[in-house]
Amino acid sequence: EAGVAQSPRYKIIEKRQSVAFWCNPISGHATLYWYQQILGQGPKLLIQFQNNGVVDDSQLPKDRFSAERLKGVDSTLKIQPAKLEDSAVYLCASSLGLAGGRADTQYFGPGTRLTVL
Amino acid sequence: GDSVTQMEGPVTLSEEAFLTINCTYTATGYPSLFWYVQYPGEGLQLLLKATKADDKGSNKGFEATYRKETTSFHLEKGSVQVSDSAVYFCALRRLYAGGTSYGKLTFGQGTILTVHP
Repeated sequence: EAGVAQSPRYKIIEKRQSVAFWCNPISGHATLYWYQQILGQGPKLLIQFQNNGVVDDSQLPKDRFSAERLKGVDSTLKIQPAKLEDSAVYLCASSLGLAGGRADTQYFGPGTRLTVL
Repeated sequence: GDSVTQMEGPVTLSEEAFLTINCTYTATGYPSLFWYVQYPGEGLQLLLKATKADDKGSNKGFEATYRKETTSFHLEKGSVQVSDSAVYFCALRRLYAGGTSYGKLTFGQGTILTVHP
């Protein structure tokens, strides 16, 4: 079974530039998550999709971050304009969602390491 | 809000030593509990999980028991190996209000484990 795919793996940009990340979840997984992991910290949720609808985006800085999940499969996360504090690893995860019950497991992609100079 | 607290790190052990990484949580309702591991240069992987009180999750010689009375989920291994060197994250997840979706993972800050030969 293929895992969660993400691209690019690394990205270096200057502040005020824009950047986009792509995620392809595990086939059949209804729920997709984007997390931000700052060095030395645990991941923190930015946005959660159930199929192509948003379930939770309460921690997403909506003035600069946006995300979409077209057709309930692939997703893109965009930052425009980037700030120095956006330097982090951006992780995409997917899970079955309610169909998985209480043991529903989130599977993570390898992440995109973003450096903002 | 929900929170997870892990023991301060980093932890350095000799091969075959006993490992304990403490994890306590605060959450409303009845969460599921997880340990994730991040090996150097790799993404987050599920290590083990427990979905109800007194459940014991186990995998690769690691164990953790869901203790509702002490709100804890401590990770243990009887004899660590050099290959266990990684960052370990404790996390919880619960249903969103209304039961329409399982929510985000709330992570602890991570504990770096280094095992020497």
